[in-house]
Amino acid sequence: GAVVSQHPSRVICKSGTSVKIECRSLDFQATTMFWYRQFPKQSLMLMATSNEGSKATYEQGVEKDKFLINHASLTLSTLTVTSAHPEDSSFYICSARAPGVSNQPQHFGDGTRLSIL
Amino acid sequence: ELKVEQNPLFLSMQEGKNYTIYCNYSTTSDRLYWYRQDPGKSLESLFVLLSNGAVKQEGRLMASLDTKARLSTLHITAAVHDLSATYFCAVGQGGSEKLVFGKGTKLTVNP
Repeated sequence: GAVVSQHPSRVICKSGTSVKIECRSLDFQATTMFWYRQFPKQSLMLMATSNEGSKATYEQGVEKDKFLINHASLTLSTLTVTSAHPEDSSFYICSARAPGVSNQPQHFGDGTRLSIL
Repeated sequence: ELKVEQNPLFLSMQEGKNYTIYCNYSTTSDRLYWYRQDPGKSLESLFVLLSNGAVKQEGRLMASLDTKARLSTLHITAAVHDLSATYFCAVGQGGSEKLVFGKGTKLTVNP
């Protein structure tokens, strides 16, 4: 089945550091990937839609300059949290949908737990 | 704007009992998904519901969709401890691949 790999699984770093998270579709090509943020014991909130070869589409209230998204190939999207601060600490999850049959479920990466000290 | 409401948000039940989780959504959609999330983990796809009256079953879980009522249910039959997790419904936003998630139902099955 479709597999989405996310790396790293956990990051702990100092305030002001920029952190890059990778999301890879392992056995399919994904023209579109999604980045979500999940605070403890809360639901998933869509941050942005990553489009291969073009600019990402950000949801309302998400800072484009803070959360940089690059989707340079059909199997890789990256999210960079720039100059991270403690309030950016969260669980970040990416997803992608395998092409072909419409309405297939999105497949989620294992998530990245980001802790900013 | 599409809104998705799940209830209950917390559910504690005994092994062997039955219960239903409800997912209501506010605008027409052509697809609804149920996911499971274990603590500290990502989401696992459980069911895909695409049409009115759709019913899917896997083990002790059964999901259904009523598009006219904009309601999906996830029914748990004879619960076992292994079903303890948080369950999310997610509704497709028309005309895009975006999903809007409910707040999740944290299910705890006690021995």
